[in-house]
Amino acid sequence: AQKVTQAQTEISVVEKEDVTLDCVYETRDTTYYLFWYKQPPSGELVFLIRRNSFDEQNEISGRYSWNFQKSTSSFNFTITASQVVDSAVYFCALRNTGNQFYFGTGTSLTVIP
Amino acid sequence: GAVVSQHPSRVICKSGTSVKIECRSLDFQATTMFWYRQFPKQSLMLMATSNEGSKATYEQGVEKDKFLINHASLTLSTLTVTSAHPEDSSFYICSAGQGFRETQYFGPGTRLLVL
Repeated sequence: AQKVTQAQTEISVVEKEDVTLDCVYETRDTTYYLFWYKQPPSGELVFLIRRNSFDEQNEISGRYSWNFQKSTSSFNFTITASQVVDSAVYFCALRNTGNQFYFGTGTSLTVIP
Repeated sequence: GAVVSQHPSRVICKSGTSVKIECRSLDFQATTMFWYRQFPKQSLMLMATSNEGSKATYEQGVEKDKFLINHASLTLSTLTVTSAHPEDSSFYICSAGQGFRETQYFGPGTRLLVL
């Protein structure tokens, strides 16, 4: 069975602060993908990143960076110099070989101007 | 890039009526599509896997007779909420893609409100 845990339900930061969103997953599969999605109030999921289980290289994209550590089954997401537009709910998810997604419970991020 | 659409984007209906939600893959063929449900301030939960030309596979706890899924073609899956009740009010999202190593695309979602 797959399970994704996002322990942080809500986070508030002041604009320009850095913030890290935690994600821990459980799976018995050796092959899987990990994702982060942003969900603004409109509801539509915005894709941020995909990582396959064999690629532990960390990635940076602008103000976003991701730290994938298989040893701790974690896939954390850091936003540097946060902006008000970053306010949203962020979901970490695992996709199995059957293409089914298992989502964490989400972290609601509020960036205060 | 590939796009998945959903129709309608928002629907309000009376309790006891049935509502059909469509999920279309616009520029690719999808033998499998997935339906998710998201209650307010909660996570997305997989409801069922829609298989073209065969019966859908439902997750535990999802009533197959209440949530009818029809995957009639390689670009269309429909979810019908039968005899809807207020507790069925939710955000329904579909996803589709091609193969494990390919990207799965999410639709924009359908907000259902049952009065």
